[in-house]
Amino acid sequence: KQEVTQIPAALSVPEGENLVLNCSFTDSAIYNLQWFRQDPGKGLTSLLLIQSSQREQTSGRLNASLDKSSGRSTLYIAASQPGDSATYLCAVDSGAGSYQLTFGKGTKLSVIP
Amino acid sequence: EAEVAQSPRYKITEKSQAVAFWCDPISGHATLYWYRQILGQGPELLVQFQDESVVDDSQLPKDRFSAERLKGVDSTLKIQPAELGDSAMYLCASSLSGHEFFGSGTRLTVV
Repeated sequence: KQEVTQIPAALSVPEGENLVLNCSFTDSAIYNLQWFRQDPGKGLTSLLLIQSSQREQTSGRLNASLDKSSGRSTLYIAASQPGDSATYLCAVDSGAGSYQLTFGKGTKLSVIP
Repeated sequence: EAEVAQSPRYKITEKSQAVAFWCDPISGHATLYWYRQILGQGPELLVQFQDESVVDDSQLPKDRFSAERLKGVDSTLKIQPAELGDSAMYLCASSLSGHEFFGSGTRLTVV
């Protein structure tokens, strides 16, 4: 059974810092990996999707990398802003045609002005 | 921009009562999911539909939960009777080819 772990559980940084969020998964046979953002009491917003054949994806100040063989992904946020404060969730689709996501518990990010 | 619509946004119900949530996926998305998210945890899949058929409901507590998608478009998730431990965010998502898009969720509080 696929298990997804996110470290740290919470992170507080001053505005302007670059930061890295970590995600690890136990079964490397994945179809894709997604990073989501969740604001308090809200639904999930997809940030980046990395297919299993890709190494990284970039969107603006966000960069996500994937190392399938080691079961790891990182989300890099450059020049953090207070508006980046949210919970970031990593999810993997283990494929086999099921298109089902297994989520980590998330990292709660606070960017201090 | 197309969105997954969910209603209601919030629901407070007494334990042992029945409660229902509604989801309208993005037009053309054949796959629909219901997730439950307990505070501080990641979402966990309850049921997955492909068109009107259930693909996976192995994690759905079938003694009290039911889900339907009769015409393969919108879907309803029902809990009867509700228990205190059912308090959570219920999220609906839809996808076309493995890329899931989520609705804003229904926050359920059972008192």
